[in-house]
Amino acid sequence: EDQVTQSPEALRLQEGESSSLNCSYTVSGLRGLFWYRQDPGKGPEFLFTLYSAGEEKEKERLKATLTKKESFLHITAPKPEDSATYLCAVQASTSGTYKYIFGTGTRLKVLA
Amino acid sequence: NAGVTQTPKFQVLKTGQSMTLQCAQDMNHEYMSWYRQDPGMGLRLIHYSVGAGITDQGEVPNGYNVSRSTTEDFPLRLLSAAPSQTSVYFCASSRDREYEQYFGPGTRLTVT
Repeated sequence: EDQVTQSPEALRLQEGESSSLNCSYTVSGLRGLFWYRQDPGKGPEFLFTLYSAGEEKEKERLKATLTKKESFLHITAPKPEDSATYLCAVQASTSGTYKYIFGTGTRLKVLA
Repeated sequence: NAGVTQTPKFQVLKTGQSMTLQCAQDMNHEYMSWYRQDPGMGLRLIHYSVGAGITDQGEVPNGYNVSRSTTEDFPLRLLSAAPSQTSVYFCASSRDREYEQYFGPGTRLTVT
């Protein structure tokens, strides 16, 4: 069964304390892996797309990496404004059928 | 450029009532989709469209109808509301199904 699992469910960091969020997946026919940020009461906001193992993308304090089984979102020296829920989504295609599967997210709280 | 807009922002329905959630985008995107977001379950795909006149079912389509008469609009109809449809609904668009999605602000629906 196609599945996307994110860990941890929640994470509290002190400002400046670097950490990583994990997204592991089991799907057939991976087409791409997406990271989104969601603030309370708002829709998800796109961060990164990764298409193949070994690929990395960076934006400010965030860096996303991809292997054949999982993706990591590394947060370097986080600030309170980085507090949000981070969602991972996998797009897969088998026999012409597309699936877009979201994980349940990691709630990040960065304390000043 | 407003992006993806959704109306209403909040709605309360009684069991058995019907209503339409509106979604519009001004990015000329071909792909549009509807998701529901429930605590602990992540975003789940209800229906999607790869272009005007073409729609298909997602993971949880029962109780919902969609149509796509124009590129810009993709309304979601609840035929006979049930308490199980209490959720937050997000509309999203993308230039193609394989690219990142842009989400609207969401509609919080409560069915009593």
